[in-house]
Amino acid sequence: GQQLNQSPQSMFIQEGEDVSMNCTSSSIFNTWLWYKQEPGEGPVLLIALYKAGELTSNGRLTAQFGITRKDSFLNISASIPSDVGIYFCAGVNNTDKLIFGTGTRLQVFP
Amino acid sequence: SAVISQKPSRDICQRGTSLTIQCQVDSQVTMMFWYRQQPGQSLTLIATANQGSEATYESGFVIDKFPISRPNLTFSTLTVSNMSPEDSSIYLCSVSGYEQFFGPGTRLTVL
Repeated sequence: GQQLNQSPQSMFIQEGEDVSMNCTSSSIFNTWLWYKQEPGEGPVLLIALYKAGELTSNGRLTAQFGITRKDSFLNISASIPSDVGIYFCAGVNNTDKLIFGTGTRLQVFP
Repeated sequence: SAVISQKPSRDICQRGTSLTIQCQVDSQVTMMFWYRQQPGQSLTLIATANQGSEATYESGFVIDKFPISRPNLTFSTLTVSNMSPEDSSIYLCSVSGYEQFFGPGTRLTVL
């Protein structure tokens, strides 16, 4: 089946640093989504991308839909302690199903 | 975005028993989904809950193990039947189409 590989698996950074994570697939996706999950909560949608090459920002977060439609990246600028959590990419495939990436665990130290 | 609640938020169950998880949305939605998130893992789609018809299950999930009801456009239930420790997971419902919004999840532990 389709798989989304996310990297890195985990990140330990200092407050104020920028963060970059990416998601790659062997298949094409029509939509890319980025979610954040905190302990005891469901995933919360951060950014949605609908067109190849699209670059979208949400505050300190910026995400891009790769031109090949097989990848996406998420950047977080000037990280703060509340950015801690697990970040998941998700792609919508040609059967309109949401396929989730393996997740990137982010830890921010003050 | 829709506000989604789930009950129970967590439960500890004995093997061989069944648990029904409820998902309630504050507005009518066409599409509702159930996901499983095993410990330390990503989310896997179990099924799409269709209003007025049987749920559509993904490969590896069957109706006998995970019966789903969808009596109206704001409510759905997922039952985890004849549980074993391998069923210990977080079960999440979500709504809408591409931009899916998730409930807080039900954390299930099977002893």
